[in-house]
Amino acid sequence: EIVLTQSPGTLSLSPGERATLSCRASQSISSSYLAWYQQKPGQAPRLLIYGASSRATGIPDRFSGSGSGTDFTLTISRLEPEDFAVYYCQQYGSSPSWTFGQGTKVEIQ
Amino acid sequence: EVQLVQSGAELKKPGESLRISCKGSGYNFTSYWINWVRQMPGEGLEWMGRIDPSDSYTTYSPSFQGHVTISADKSISTAYLQWSSLKASHTAMYYCARRIVGVNLQDAFDFWGLGTMVTVSS
Repeated sequence: EIVLTQSPGTLSLSPGERATLSCRASQSISSSYLAWYQQKPGQAPRLLIYGASSRATGIPDRFSGSGSGTDFTLTISRLEPEDFAVYYCQQYGSSPSWTFGQGTKVEIQ
Repeated sequence: EVQLVQSGAELKKPGESLRISCKGSGYNFTSYWINWVRQMPGEGLEWMGRIDPSDSYTTYSPSFQGHVTISADKSISTAYLQWSSLKASHTAMYYCARRIVGVNLQDAFDFWGLGTMVTVSS
């Protein structure tokens, strides 16, 4: 089973700053199978990025995804107040099955 | 508009059974797998299992195999998650989510229900 490890656990930043979130897989995965989600308190997760770098419908272009192999990154170029949330990466594996990272909380400094 | 509408919050006692539901609308229900995801209080997301509504074929995470049952009734575009004997440790928010596969085989859950909170307490 592939394990996804997200870092840091918490990111304390101010609005307008750049956020860089990491997701590392325990073994190489296809970029097609890596997605990112945002979850705000009391809400369901929302798809941000699929295929490692494609933005989902309606997602602002300040969100971008990159990476390949075992290392993937979600970047928020300039944090808006509504971006403070928890972010999860997810990978699709065989069987089929899916696993999530443990999440990174982006909080207001 | 694609929607996944989940059943309401449940308060149950240990040992009771429960079935929660997820009704899809705004799309062809049989064309997309439905997944169930658990989120325990203050914790992260855990994939539980999935169903193909076209034939009701299911796959479970090893962590949940044998502990829950996923089913679907395509005639009413509804998927279900059920327990035969609840425990306090089943207290969590449960989400259903639709799985998409892109033209380049990108894989993700594009629409999510709002969640069903299940509380098990004596």
